[in-house]
Amino acid sequence: NAGVTQTPKFRVLKTGQSMTLLCAQDMNHEYMYWYRQDPGMGLRLIHYSVGEGTTAKGEVPDGYNVSRLKKQNFLLGLESAAPSQTSVYFCASSPRPPTGSDQPQHFGDGTRLSIL
Amino acid sequence: LAKTTQPISMDSYEGQEVNITCSHNNIATNDYITWYQQFPSQGPRFIIQGYKTKVTNEVASLFIPADRKSSTLSLPRVSLSDTAVYYCLVGTTGGGNKLTFGTGTQLKVEL
Repeated sequence: NAGVTQTPKFRVLKTGQSMTLLCAQDMNHEYMYWYRQDPGMGLRLIHYSVGEGTTAKGEVPDGYNVSRLKKQNFLLGLESAAPSQTSVYFCASSPRPPTGSDQPQHFGDGTRLSIL
Repeated sequence: LAKTTQPISMDSYEGQEVNITCSHNNIATNDYITWYQQFPSQGPRFIIQGYKTKVTNEVASLFIPADRKSSTLSLPRVSLSDTAVYYCLVGTTGGGNKLTFGTGTQLKVEL
């Protein structure tokens, strides 16, 4: 049982290049999330999805796009990378919470992205 | 969004009980309080979650007063391996963009 797997683990890009980060979960979770974490800071939500074919903006969505074509995968795209997007990116998933309760998120181990 | 405030850092010794308090004055009625632990180069790991009063599991306790404007994570008898950053999260996964991580508390446990 792998949980949440992020690919790649490390990547260096040049300004203006594009790339896609892949997140895969094998827990059949409805919800998936992309966060970024900058040095000395907490995690900030970029985009999230509440089900296959759905996406929504989080706290810091500018410069990123996402897609959820399959329930188990959540892709994060950078169309034109900028140095300000140098960060560690974490993907998470969680089951749909029953009414009147909540469910914790399960995180991957991150993708460390450097943009020169 | 419910903003959270935690101490930046705490120091302790092995075998002691550690209490980390998180303030969340504008918590919403539907919000839950969730604590995560994060080691370097790893993703956050779920510790405990609660809505009100006290919750206990095999690794920690969570105390939430009646007004829910703060919460305290209690780690009994810490060890060196508990050295990590602890995050208080207030919100609901059902709302997606209502999730807010605090700045985290760096706990350092020494012998």
